[in-house]
Amino acid sequence: QVQLVESGGGVVQPGGSLRLSCAASGLSFRAYNMHWVRQPPGKGLEWVTLISFDGSEGYYADSVKGRFTVSRDNSKNTLSLQMNSLRPEDTALYYCVKGAGSPNYFDFWGQGTLVTVSS
Amino acid sequence: QSVLTEPASVSGSPGQSITISCSRSSSYYFVSWFQQHPGKAPKLMIYQGDKRPSGVSDRFSGSQTGNVASLTISGLQTEDEADYYCCTYEGYNWVFGGGTKLTVL
Repeated sequence: QVQLVESGGGVVQPGGSLRLSCAASGLSFRAYNMHWVRQPPGKGLEWVTLISFDGSEGYYADSVKGRFTVSRDNSKNTLSLQMNSLRPEDTALYYCVKGAGSPNYFDFWGQGTLVTVSS
Repeated sequence: QSVLTEPASVSGSPGQSITISCSRSSSYYFVSWFQQHPGKAPKLMIYQGDKRPSGVSDRFSGSQTGNVASLTISGLQTEDEADYYCCTYEGYNWVFGGGTKLTVL
């Protein structure tokens, strides 16, 4: 079965950086677009970024554009999110999500990794 | 402020049916629906407006007419109590509704 396991979350000061990772198994990872979706504590869901199946294209929410960079290593079945210039409003549980269909919908979610931006 | 509007809360009794709406000011791409229990990851319940993934109970159904999408849950069960989110695609941007808290009385 599909498993997506996020790691790399933690506490970081405003202006700092953090790198999240997602290890995928149980799927042909290189065949699917992948996304990050986040959820601030007690609040709703917000799409963050998409990376195409081959890593050639990335798209970002306006709220993170220019600060976050998504990447993937299809040889290692891993997805990454480099987060720079972090702000308190970036505090959230970050989910690694598999895309399906066209346009993509989100069919499998990891359990999430918590990022807290605080001084 | 989300461009997709859901009611903040709905409630129903076991065995009843409820409908959660998701509206936008103009018609839009197919909607998907997610169920989220406290402390758990969201789970896909409906995609492309009315399709159910394998393993999702047929008590869950989706429909979409113009700028309003709906999720109907029939034969309510206590385990259906959760938050429900609608989601749509807007040109390499995905938008979620604010979420609806379903209480099973």
